[in-house]
Amino acid sequence: GAVVSQHPSRVICKSGTSVKIECRSLDFQATTMFWYRQFPKQSLMLMATSNEGSKATYEQGVEKDKFLINHASLTLSTLTVTSAHPEDSSFYICSARTYSNQPQHFGDGTRLSIL
Amino acid sequence: DQQVKQNSPSLSVQEGRISILNCDYTNSMFDYFLWYKKYPAEGPTFLISISSIKDKNEDGRFTVFLNKSAKHLSLHIVPSQPGDSAVYFCAAMNNAGNMLTFGGGTRLMVKP
Repeated sequence: GAVVSQHPSRVICKSGTSVKIECRSLDFQATTMFWYRQFPKQSLMLMATSNEGSKATYEQGVEKDKFLINHASLTLSTLTVTSAHPEDSSFYICSARTYSNQPQHFGDGTRLSIL
Repeated sequence: DQQVKQNSPSLSVQEGRISILNCDYTNSMFDYFLWYKKYPAEGPTFLISISSIKDKNEDGRFTVFLNKSAKHLSLHIVPSQPGDSAVYFCAAMNNAGNMLTFGGGTRLMVKP
């Protein structure tokens, strides 16, 4: 089946640090990648949608200058949390798909803890 | 405003019996529905999907039923196995295919 790799799986860092999370589709070309955030005991909330080679589309309430998304190739998207603060601590998950109406395949997520 | 709702936060079932997970939606523009399974500290894993032109889709032990008039779908797992214990999310997609909206999840516990 389709495999999406997300790295790192866990990050602990000091407030003010910028953190980069990578999302790779290993065995298919992902025309679209998605970034989600999950708060404890809540569902996945879509943060942004990125199409290869174009700017990401952010959901309402998500700061694009805070959460920088780059989708430079058909197999890689990155999310950079800039100047992270404790309130940014969360579980971030990426997903990827080939074409619309195809299932999204998810990475294993990144647990981000900001001290 | 939750467009996709899973009203049961948890469900406990005996091994070998049927597990039925329910999901309701409000947006009539949704036309493609998916179920994902999630273990702790892992990303969701795609299980099964159904298009709005169908009312049933079956894959092994998993069957998804869709009732468009009631805006309701359900996932049946039979027979349930202890390894099925996880959180199950239903998700819906609109016809533009741009956005996946998740329900809040149901934690399934299958007891040996």
